[in-house]
Amino acid sequence: QSVLTQPPSVSGAPGQRVTISCTGSRSNIGADFRVHWYQQLPGKAPKLLVYDNRNRASGVPDRFSGSKSGTSASLAITGLQAEDETDYYCQSYDRSLSGYVFGTGTKVTVL
Amino acid sequence: QVQLQESGPGLVKPSQTLSLTCTVSGDSISSGNHYWSWIRQPPGKGLEWIGYIYYSGSTYYNPSVKSRVIISVDTSKNQFSLKLSSGTAADTAVYYCARGRAGEAFDSWGQGTLVTVSS
Repeated sequence: QSVLTQPPSVSGAPGQRVTISCTGSRSNIGADFRVHWYQQLPGKAPKLLVYDNRNRASGVPDRFSGSKSGTSASLAITGLQAEDETDYYCQSYDRSLSGYVFGTGTKVTVL
Repeated sequence: QVQLQESGPGLVKPSQTLSLTCTVSGDSISSGNHYWSWIRQPPGKGLEWIGYIYYSGSTYYNPSVKSRVIISVDTSKNQFSLKLSSGTAADTAVYYCARGRAGEAFDSWGQGTLVTVSS
């Protein structure tokens, strides 16, 4: 029941830049609710990566950056490393649901 | 540093109630600084927010499970709990408890616990 849409997968070679999109609507991202990003390693709980659209969580390398425009948001990973190969989720708040919503999730593959 | 730990049965029979507890350490639920949520993830699928509770006992639930869910809090034990009734195979998932502020990110998560609904 995800209301935020992400590409199922993105890939890039080591050192390259990849971006993950998160598309919502006027009920969530477009309603000026903040977007947050999580990294989930296999078998682990999600870990907060970027909060409030563009702020990196404590200890997160500056290779990760977030942005937001209109009804969409993006997570960029520059200088892609093998350890970045895992799943990423966006999250926001939805006015219609009066609750939190997550993206569909994106698997990043390092070629 | 805050830590959250889920506990409860890993196997529930169909039509029965799934019950989990989250024990919080390193932060006080009664401080009123955060909302306390349950989030689940079916095997191989994405994340779904189930609901949250505030220290006062006020709750809000995802409409998709609202008719079957109750989240409660025990501030004396610094715990909050999830009850999901009429379990079906679709409720099989890893269940996480998490901390966040109103409308904001979930900054701390439990390690998660797998609950399987099966006879």
